[in-house]
Amino acid sequence: GIQVEQSPPDLILQEGANSTLRCNFSDSVNNLQWFHQNPWGQLINLFYIPSGTKQNGRLSATTVATERYSLLYISSSQTTDSGVYFCAVFSGTYKYIFGTGTRLKVLA
Amino acid sequence: GAGVSQSPSNKVTEKGKDVELRCDPISGHTALYWYRQSLGQGLEFLIYFQGNSAPDKSGLPSDRFSAERTGGSVSTLTIQRTQQEDSAVYLCASSRTSGGSTQYFGPGTRLTVL
Repeated sequence: GIQVEQSPPDLILQEGANSTLRCNFSDSVNNLQWFHQNPWGQLINLFYIPSGTKQNGRLSATTVATERYSLLYISSSQTTDSGVYFCAVFSGTYKYIFGTGTRLKVLA
Repeated sequence: GAGVSQSPSNKVTEKGKDVELRCDPISGHTALYWYRQSLGQGLEFLIYFQGNSAPDKSGLPSDRFSAERTGGSVSTLTIQRTQQEDSAVYLCASSRTSGGSTQYFGPGTRLTVL
C-alpha cells in the first residue's frame, strides 16, 4: 500500500518564525489533505490539495503530484499554531492513509 | 448550524462487552468518516460513507468492528467483544460531499476497555 512519510517529526519555533513541513508519498493519489490537531485534541482540516498551491492566511500548501510530495508553509508562526500536523492521502481504494505527523511547538 | 456531535463523550467498558458509538454529522453533509487515535499515536482511518453506503470496509481493524449509516445522517460504529487494544479516541467527521470538501470533526468518543 501507499506509504506516507512526514518530516520533521518534531519542530520547535520561536514565535514569528517561518517553517516548512513536508509530506512524501509513495504512489499516485487522488486526494491529499493537511490537518491540524491542537493540543486539546481538536482536529481541523486545513487544505484539500491534490496538486498545485493554495493559501489561507498565514498558511499555504503546495503539492507536486508528479514528484509525490506536499509542503505546508507556516509563516509568522503564533503559539496557536502549536499541535500536530498530519497529511493524509486518499487512494483509489477509498481509504485515507495518514502520515505520522509533525509535532510543532511555538514558543512565545 | 450545530457542528458534528458524538456520543458518548467517554465510555468505560469491560473486556468482552459490546459498545456502540454514535455520530451526528452536520445537516446536509453527504460524506461521513470514522477515524481512531490511540493514546499518543497518529490517526487511523476506519471507514467512509457516501450517503448510506461504504465503498470499502477493509479499513476496519477486525470483524468485531461494524459501522452503519441510516437516512444519510446518523452513523453508529459498533465494536463487539471489546479488547483492551480497542481503547482509543474514536473521531467522526463529515463533509458536504466526498473528495475535496472540508471535513469537520466531532469532539470524539474516548473509549477505555478495562
